[in-house]
Amino acid sequence: GENVEQHPSTLSVQEGDSAVIKCTYSDSASNYFPWYKQELGKRPQLIIDIRSNVGEKKDQRIAVTLNKTAKHFSLHITETQPEDSAVYFCAGGGGADGLTFGKGTHLIIQP
Amino acid sequence: GAVVSQHPSRVICKSGTSVKIECRSLDFQATTMFWYRQFPKQSLMLMATSNEGSKATYEQGVEKDKFLINHASLTLSTLTVTSAHPEDSSFYICSAPPNHGATGELFFGEGSRLTVL
Repeated sequence: GENVEQHPSTLSVQEGDSAVIKCTYSDSASNYFPWYKQELGKRPQLIIDIRSNVGEKKDQRIAVTLNKTAKHFSLHITETQPEDSAVYFCAGGGGADGLTFGKGTHLIIQP
Repeated sequence: GAVVSQHPSRVICKSGTSVKIECRSLDFQATTMFWYRQFPKQSLMLMATSNEGSKATYEQGVEKDKFLINHASLTLSTLTVTSAHPEDSSFYICSAPPNHGATGELFFGEGSRLTVL
């Protein structure tokens, strides 16, 4: 099955700076890589996703890059704001086995 | 977008009792439902996969007799935690792929916070 590793577990950045979270996956058959933002006690919210036929995708301050050869993908948040503080999860999969999640990154935006 | 409704959102029960959690797909047919469990400050761990009209598939280490899953219709899947104990206290969340999983996306229910006293 798929195995997704996520780093770092905690990331603290100054407001306005950029944040980068990285994930690696093991299953070359995985073709869908979403990123979720989860606030305490709530369900994960999809913030951006990328499919294996694309190398990069951007949505305003959020971007995701995918390197299929190296089996890693990254989340980039620019001009961070206090409301970006949350736990972020990467995931990989896309088939009948659903999604495998990384362990999560607690992003702290310091004022 | 597709909506998955889950309830109850919170439940507190005594040790030894059973608790049922329901997930409904409101505007699409969910042939598959994935059930995840999330302990505090941890990731979502897949417990089982249910398919409409057939037996659920459980992940290694998840007791099928303790976590009963029923997926009797295309819009409803239930998880029953039987003889609950304090160590079963967790956040349980269901998710379903729209379009029969063709795109890989999952839509999550709101989650159910179970506290076993």
